[in-house]
Amino acid sequence: AQSVSQHNHHVILSEAASLELGCNYSYGGTVNLFWYVQYPGQHLQLLLKYFSGDPLVKGIKGFEAEFIKSKFSFNLRKPSVQWSDTAEYFCAAGLKGTYKYIFGTGTRLKVLA
Amino acid sequence: EAQVTQNPRYLITVTGKKLTVTCSQNMNHEYMSWYRQDPGLGLRQIYYSMNVEVTDKGDVPEGYKVSRKEKRNFPLILESPSPNQTSLYFCASSFSIATNEKLFFGSGTQLSVL
Repeated sequence: AQSVSQHNHHVILSEAASLELGCNYSYGGTVNLFWYVQYPGQHLQLLLKYFSGDPLVKGIKGFEAEFIKSKFSFNLRKPSVQWSDTAEYFCAAGLKGTYKYIFGTGTRLKVLA
Repeated sequence: EAQVTQNPRYLITVTGKKLTVTCSQNMNHEYMSWYRQDPGLGLRQIYYSMNVEVTDKGDVPEGYKVSRKEKRNFPLILESPSPNQTSLYFCASSFSIATNEKLFFGSGTQLSVL
């Protein structure tokens, strides 16, 4: 079955701590991968995306993600979080050859000042 | 300004009273889609549209209808709302999902069905 899994549902960190959020997908074909962020009371915004090429992609606000094909993973990282990073983060996969776009269940990040 | 506009932002209604949530985009996008967001379940796709007059079911279409008569508009219709449709709804659009471009999201509609 096609799915996107995010294993961390809630994460609490102190400012300056490092962040890594896990994302795994299940699909037999090629995927495009995305991380979206939803700040409190706002709509989802694109953080970064991977289509092809260098598996390490950099996004806005110091975030980066690494695509590891053998592990079907696309983990999000940030070396030093800030209070303003408090938000919900969604991993998503666009299934090439279809019109399907699947989201994970989201990870709520709370950064303590 | 490029945007996806949803209305209303908040809606409280009663069981069985038909309602429509509007969605409009000004980017000439081909692809439009509706999602519902529920705690612990993430975003689940309700319906999507690849172009005018072309729509298809997503993962949770029961109880919903859509239409795409114009490229810019993609309304979500609940003919007979029920309490289990209480949720946060998002409309999204993309130039062409065939190339899996990023999605642009509306601000959301918080629906409560009593």
